Amino acid sequence: EVELLESGGGLVQPGGSLRLSCTASGFSFSSYGMSWVRQAPGKGLEWLSSISGTGSSTYYADSVKGRFSISRDNSKNTLFLEMNSLGAEDTAVYYCAKGRGVAARGNFDYWGQGTLVTVSS
Amino acid sequence: EIVLTQSPGTLSLSPGERATLSCRASQLFSSTYLAWYQQKPGQAPRLLIYGASSRATGIPDRFSGSGSGTDFTLSISRLEPDDIAVYYCQQFSTFGQGTKVEIK
Repeated sequence: EVELLESGGGLVQPGGSLRLSCTASGFSFSSYGMSWVRQAPGKGLEWLSSISGTGSSTYYADSVKGRFSISRDNSKNTLFLEMNSLGAEDTAVYYCAKGRGVAARGNFDYWGQGTLVTVSS
Repeated sequence: EIVLTQSPGTLSLSPGERATLSCRASQLFSSTYLAWYQQKPGQAPRLLIYGASSRATGIPDRFSGSGSGTDFTLSISRLEPDDIAVYYCQQFSTFGQGTKVEIK
């Protein structure tokens, strides 16, 4: 059974940093692209970043480019999102999502339950 | 960048009725990467349809997808109370704004 478990969310001050993790199980992690998607309170889904199965290709939304960094450790079946210069607009539930293939970009067939990031002083 | 526009914003139907949700793209793209997701309150999204018309694992055949080019449709036949959710279409880096399905 595919499982994705996010961690690392919490309360952070404006301008601060946070590192999210997503631990995967139940599939061959390195064979699939992975992504981060967020959802602000009461709002829709916003794609943030994707990484290929090998980690060689990465993509970012304009809203986070230069501030967020996606990476993965295939030896530990773990996906990361390093977030810097956080602002109130980054307050959201952050989901990791598994791609349907090895490429970075595509659709997402499994999602974690999400981790809440709150940016506030 | 492609913009996906979903309509209607909210759909209110009676149990047993057919729901038809629309997703219109601002430019042509391959239907290979058009997906639909269901998100129930307090839950993570769930993949329903990929490749515009292929049902994901475990999705009942009441859910069907169709379309190509710039116009795509998600249909839910015989609406059930458990179908109350927000439905999103997606292509690569873009999600539609969602359609909320309510039961009368």
